[in-house]
Amino acid sequence: GQNIDQPTEMTATEGAIVQINCTYQTSGFNGLFWYQQHAGEAPTFLSYNVLDGLEEKGRFSSFLSRSKGYSYLLLKELQMKDSASYLCAVRGPRGSYIPTFGRGTSLIVHP
Amino acid sequence: EAGVAQSPRYKIIEKRQSVAFWCNPISGHATLYWYQQILGQGPKLLIQFQNNGVVDDSQLPKDRFSAERLKGVDSTLKIQPAKLEDSAVYLCASSPSKAGESGTGELFFGEGSRLTVL
Repeated sequence: GQNIDQPTEMTATEGAIVQINCTYQTSGFNGLFWYQQHAGEAPTFLSYNVLDGLEEKGRFSSFLSRSKGYSYLLLKELQMKDSASYLCAVRGPRGSYIPTFGRGTSLIVHP
Repeated sequence: EAGVAQSPRYKIIEKRQSVAFWCNPISGHATLYWYQQILGQGPKLLIQFQNNGVVDDSQLPKDRFSAERLKGVDSTLKIQPAKLEDSAVYLCASSPSKAGESGTGELFFGEGSRLTVL
């Protein structure tokens, strides 16, 4: 099965940098997603990592270490609109590749 | 490109009543998922379809929940009878990747159907 752990809530200041961590234990790993979900809306795709290392996409970067079962999402130059829940999801074993989601980290950005 | 469509957006029912949710995935997407998201939690998979076949329904409470994807396009999720703990948002997602393919498997979510059971 899958066990995914991420902090429940984080706060940060507009313009700052924040790192949201995700640790996982899984019986079969085939990639890790980060999704953003604003209150009352659907999750939207941010990033996908399957190999170790850092993937950068504009203000957002995602890092993966498969040996440590660890990932983080880095948000730079925070804006108020970045206030949302950030969901870490691990893609499961071959045959289904079903993504299993963590409970999400609620990020609050204040002025 | 049209996104994943779901209806109804909101539904309020009393316990022991029944409810059905409908999902129309992005055209051409082979794989369709139903997730349940309880307030303050991450989405929990209920069922995964590839075309019109079930890939995984191990977490679907089959005594009260049922789902189908006739013709491999639209899907319906039904709850009968509903319980208080079924209050949640039901998210439908589709993916262009087939269940057995690696790829990125990015999921495209609909806006969800919010169910309140009184």
